[in-house]
Amino acid sequence: EVQLVQSGAEVKKPGESLKISCKGSGYKFTNYWIAWVRQTPGKGLEWMGIIYPGDSDTRYSPSFQGQVTISADKSVSTAYLQWNSLRASDTAMYYCARQASATTSSSYWGQGSLVTVSS
Amino acid sequence: EIVMTQSPATLSVSPGEGATLSCRASQSISSNLAWYQQKPGQAPRLLIHGASARAADIPARFSGSGSGTEFTLTISSLQSEDFAVYFCQQYTSWSTFGQGTKLEIK
Repeated sequence: EVQLVQSGAEVKKPGESLKISCKGSGYKFTNYWIAWVRQTPGKGLEWMGIIYPGDSDTRYSPSFQGQVTISADKSVSTAYLQWNSLRASDTAMYYCARQASATTSSSYWGQGSLVTVSS
Repeated sequence: EIVMTQSPATLSVSPGEGATLSCRASQSISSNLAWYQQKPGQAPRLLIHGASARAADIPARFSGSGSGTEFTLTISSLQSEDFAVYFCQQYTSWSTFGQGTKLEIK
C-alpha cells in the first residue's frame, strides 16, 4: 500500500526555522516525484514545488522560489520542506503528494502537516 | 500564471440528484486537468485526471469532460459521502488550483 506519512503539527515564532518531512512507503521512493502543496482558508490550494528523489531534480513555483527549500533523502525515503525564517503568513496546512511526473496530477497525498507561526 | 476559476462557489443538491461543477482556465491547458474531492480534516483525493480519466477506485458516477479552457465534473445520483469540496487543478504550466466548489446537501 502506497503511503505518505508527514511529520506532526508545529507551532513556531516568526523568524524561527523549520523542516517538515514526508516519508514514503509501499513503492520505490526514487521512481516518483514528491510535490508540496500549501492550503490556507484565504488562498486555497497552492502548488509550491516538486522534487525527484532519484536525482534530486527540484523545481519551484515562481511564487515560492527563494521562500522555501525542498529536499529529499532517498536513504530514508523522505522528502522535506524547509524554511529558514518563518513568517506569520506561512501559517497553513502543508501536504506532500506523489506524482508520476513533474507535470501531472497527484495520485497519493500525505495527511498534512499544520504549521502555525505566531508570536 | 494560469488562473483556474470554478463555479459555482456553492452548490446545493438533494441526495439522489445529479450535480455539474464547472472549471475554466485563463488560457488553454489542453486536457491537463485534474479534479479532487476534499472532506473536512482530510487531504484532497484524486478523482479525475487528463480531464476525463477516472482515478483508481473512483465510482463510475463521477465523470469529467472538456478540453482547452472549459471543463466539467459531473456527479450522477449523489450519495451522502459525495458532499464535500471539489477542486480542479491544471498541470500544463507549473500547477494551479481553482478556489473550490462546496457541494452541500439541499
